[in-house]
Amino acid sequence: AAGVIQSPRHLIKEKRETATLKCYPIPRHDTVYWYQQGPGQDPQFLISFYEKMQSDKGSIPDRFSAQQFSDYHSELNMSSLELGDSALYFCASSLGGLAGAETQYFGPGTRLLVL
Amino acid sequence: DQQVKQNSPSLSVQEGRISILNCDYTNSMFDYFLWYKKYPAEGPTFLISISSIKDKNEDGRFTVFLNKSAKHLSLHIVPSQPGDSAVYFCAASALGYSTLTFGKGTMLLVSP
Repeated sequence: AAGVIQSPRHLIKEKRETATLKCYPIPRHDTVYWYQQGPGQDPQFLISFYEKMQSDKGSIPDRFSAQQFSDYHSELNMSSLELGDSALYFCASSLGGLAGAETQYFGPGTRLLVL
Repeated sequence: DQQVKQNSPSLSVQEGRISILNCDYTNSMFDYFLWYKKYPAEGPTFLISISSIKDKNEDGRFTVFLNKSAKHLSLHIVPSQPGDSAVYFCAASALGYSTLTFGKGTMLLVSP
């Protein structure tokens, strides 16, 4: 079965640079979620989109922005990167995303290293 | 403040025995709970879920129990297999909110 696809899988950037992470949800899933997992930490919710509209917002820095496109894929744009942004970034998708009882399926993650 | 707590950072079990992973939560608005399994360098893999209207859900070797009054849930794996060795995350969501709140995970090691 098709899973959530994330690209790139690994990314190395320098401080103050920008990065764009991409997420392709499971076919027919209409909701996308972004999470950040620092070393030894649990995943922290950043932002989610349902039917191309932002549905929830978590601890996403103002330097980050995201959107969901008409084909339901999503991109997380990160600017003015800082050393502390080094983390695993997971995307998850679900079918329906407003009721709070949908199972989220996670992608393999993008490992971002900021030097 | 950690709203979902997994107080055991690690657990070691012998193959064939039962593994019990515990999770406590503080937010009474949580009404949907999930367990994910995670291998290094991979994304969390969904295992099993339970809604607050139930107290038990079973899927093969995996059973999740929910005690709402104690705000506690547990994942039972029986029999445990070496391939079950991974980090297990408990997660919760509240009605009307799509976000998941995760615990810090428990590393399960199943030895042959």
